[in-house]
Amino acid sequence: DADVTQTPRNRITKTGKRIMLECSQTKGHDRMYWYRQDPGLGLRLIYYSFDVKDINKGEISDGYSVSRQAQAKFSLSLESAIPNQTALYFCATSLGEANEKLFFGSGTQLSVL
Amino acid sequence: AQKVTQAQTEISVVEKEDVTLDCVYETRDTTYYLFWYKQPPSGELVFLIRRNSFDEQNEISGRYSWNFQKSTSSFNFTITASQVVDSAVYFCALSGYNTDKLIFGTGTRLQVFP
Repeated sequence: DADVTQTPRNRITKTGKRIMLECSQTKGHDRMYWYRQDPGLGLRLIYYSFDVKDINKGEISDGYSVSRQAQAKFSLSLESAIPNQTALYFCATSLGEANEKLFFGSGTQLSVL
Repeated sequence: AQKVTQAQTEISVVEKEDVTLDCVYETRDTTYYLFWYKQPPSGELVFLIRRNSFDEQNEISGRYSWNFQKSTSSFNFTITASQVVDSAVYFCALSGYNTDKLIFGTGTRLQVFP
């Protein structure tokens, strides 16, 4: 089984709908992250969390919210999806220090029509 | 501001050729970290290497090697004797000291043909 699991793998939704993307990890890492990947733009950080009580905005947090339900679970929500949120979303984890390498999930392809 | 530039959008080579992927970075930090990640067709990003700004030694791992030059703000990645399994998108990334904000380049798609 994968160490960092994202669900769903693919999702198609309509503008205005609320969407939740889920991430769970078995690595025992404290730090978790949500990134989005757009063609030609690389990956950009949406939110990150150091532990269940510590949530931080990344460079593109507008339109998104997150919840760290437990050390192992970090979910990303789009309260009212819009077409420019169509992207490939990645969850990642790292050990408890800055500048450590990231371990990525397989990604969720989200399409907002 | 921090920035990572991967000017090569796509590279195609034939198996067994050597190929170098370029990465140029910008930062005002004196302490920083550079990374390379591989994204194969399956989609999941895989860590390849991390280098801190005080360690300019080149590194070799099998067919992979990395050339870090602070004088030119570059951290280039070379694959020797490329194989079809090397086909992937490769990302260079930069983080400042003691921060979790990783700045990614736009990636270079490498296609290795048999």
